[in-house]
Amino acid sequence: AQKITQTQPGMFVQEKEAVTLDCTYDTSDPSYGLFWYKQPSSGEMIFLIYQGSYDQQNATEGRYSLNFQKARKSANLVISASQLGDSAMYFCAMRERVQGAQKLVFGQGTRLTINP
Amino acid sequence: DSGVTQTPKHLITATGQRVTLRCSPRSGDLSVYWYQQSLDQGLQFLIQYYNGEERAKGNILERFSAQQFPDLHSELNLSSLELGDSALYFCASSVAGNNEQFFGPGTRLTVL
Repeated sequence: AQKITQTQPGMFVQEKEAVTLDCTYDTSDPSYGLFWYKQPSSGEMIFLIYQGSYDQQNATEGRYSLNFQKARKSANLVISASQLGDSAMYFCAMRERVQGAQKLVFGQGTRLTINP
Repeated sequence: DSGVTQTPKHLITATGQRVTLRCSPRSGDLSVYWYQQSLDQGLQFLIQYYNGEERAKGNILERFSAQQFPDLHSELNLSSLELGDSALYFCASSVAGNNEQFFGPGTRLTVL
């Protein structure tokens, strides 16, 4: 079963608009973490934001915020005032326990294109 | 710059060959993770080491092996390479196993 689902393969947004990238997850573990990473065309994976399952408030990091709706098992990334440099692949990931350790499970990604 | 370094950046080799990918974690990070990113499989967790010991295994083939050395750098060994092993291989590190993972720039492996 898919643990992380990103339903938007691609999104096109005008510069300066806000954009929401969807992510839903599936886990029965009460303790988990959710991450968003950005992968520009150069290939590196850039950590953006983290939300823990017990965090009471939605995480924010500059122009990035995470809309965490625990009951709906969704962790959408919101980018405010988009910039041309935001064009990239965006991956949602969940930290899950395996064999007593932890690993990241990634979604298939959303390709975001910011138009001038 | 995440502070995680990986060498080489690009690697081109032939089927049946063996290669070694190297990773140096961020200063102070004890955990090292290896991931494979391919077009058909997406990003897949391969293996994790913590302070020199293997902690978790994911979808790692038997032809692949890894280790973490006393200075905490890690190597991923890929042998009997096949065309399907062509991918971007990432190393990531974290302070412990329960923290944010910071990724290196990746090694792009092409098997011809």
